[in-house]
Amino acid sequence: EIVLTQSPATLSLSPGERATLSCRASQSVSSYLAWYQQKPGQAPRLLIYDASNRATGIPARFSGSGSGTDFTLTISSLEPEDFAVYYCQQRSNWPLYTFGQGTKLEIK
Amino acid sequence: QVTLRESGPALVKPTQTLTLTCTFSGFSLSTSGMCVSWIRQPPGKALEWLARIDWDDDKYYSTSLKTRLTISKDTSKNQVVLTMTNMDPVDTATYYCARILSEDNWFDPWGQGTLVTVSS
Repeated sequence: EIVLTQSPATLSLSPGERATLSCRASQSVSSYLAWYQQKPGQAPRLLIYDASNRATGIPARFSGSGSGTDFTLTISSLEPEDFAVYYCQQRSNWPLYTFGQGTKLEIK
Repeated sequence: QVTLRESGPALVKPTQTLTLTCTFSGFSLSTSGMCVSWIRQPPGKALEWLARIDWDDDKYYSTSLKTRLTISKDTSKNQVVLTMTNMDPVDTATYYCARILSEDNWFDPWGQGTLVTVSS
């Protein structure tokens, strides 16, 4: 099983600041990594797929980068609605999909 | 517009079998490349993939749960059913279904989820 480790567990920032979230895989997943956003009481929403492609309707302030084992989700300037939990997910060895444990982005 | 909605019991007793239904619209599971997966999330915890069924009736299961899971589809009703046997309190979670396109393997979109509590 490919283990995804996200850091930090919690990130405290203010609106307007830049957020950088990390996801590290226990073995190479090439670029087969996605990021999801989950707000309280809601289902996850696909933000980024194939490491760097924004899903339909996702604002340009969200960007993804990385390949192999190290990946980053960047939110260039935080909006109030961006405070949520973010998960990474790999599909390198589908269908044995795995998710990271999540990073909570909270308002400072 | 693609939508999915989960339904099933909110409470089950330990050792019972859980049956969940995912009812979807906006696509057909008879169309090549269409797939539906189940994912669960214990309260306050991370997401865990459970099972997937494809348009051609191929089925895939989580390694750790495969002996307890069965996934099936009713194409005429646009439904996917997941059964999980021998439920335990650790299985308490919100259960989601989501569409997958076989060409890219990402979960999009998701249903709203249904909370299942396992308690006597």
